[in-house]
Amino acid sequence: ETGVTQSPTHLIKTRGQQVTLRCSSQSGHNTVSWYQQALGQGPQFIFQYYREEENGRGNFPPRFSGLQFPNYSSELNVNALELDDSALYLCASSSQQGARETQYFGPGTRLLVL
Amino acid sequence: QQQVKQSPQSLIVQKGGISIINCAYENTAFDYFPWYQQFPGKGPALLIAIRPDVSEKKEGRFTISFNKSAKQFSLHIMDSQPGDSATYFCAGSTSNTGKLIFGQGTTLQVKP
Repeated sequence: ETGVTQSPTHLIKTRGQQVTLRCSSQSGHNTVSWYQQALGQGPQFIFQYYREEENGRGNFPPRFSGLQFPNYSSELNVNALELDDSALYLCASSSQQGARETQYFGPGTRLLVL
Repeated sequence: QQQVKQSPQSLIVQKGGISIINCAYENTAFDYFPWYQQFPGKGPALLIAIRPDVSEKKEGRFTISFNKSAKQFSLHIMDSQPGDSATYFCAGSTSNTGKLIFGQGTTLQVKP
């Protein structure tokens, strides 16, 4: 186990709704990255937070937003949910920004949009 | 230019055999290449990683071979075991970003 926790584990929403996913980073880690993993695909980078500031963003629309708190836990918010948002959402924490630092992944939140 | 292409999509190997998964990348700025292992219901876990200044890295039964000129790298699993059955992802990134670009994944089944 990595020490990265995510909640909830599963979630069902309907199109147009909003959702908030939560991540607690591993102790001592100040960087959190979020990824979307569609079924049968590799994870896709959404964005990264370093010391409460967004530090890089992937090719996702603005309705995907995030937040990092002073204790380095993080939230991913998705507005106006679409069917294609159905996926496993993974957060990963690391001790520094920059990809050479090992990113430790949580178990993910599986989101189903109906 | 951001893609990482991974093959094969699936692989079946007998216990004790060698499993080989290949990846090719496009972005010559990539300078960090990790491999992740993912079991059903779990998040990916780092298996082994390499930087382009070396051509090979070995950790136990797992070896990465890296060919910078061909922009290719591969994972070799020696003496494959049923417990190695999982999905494997290669990835690439630049050291000044936190953005891992993953391949599509390879589902490995090791038969007893």
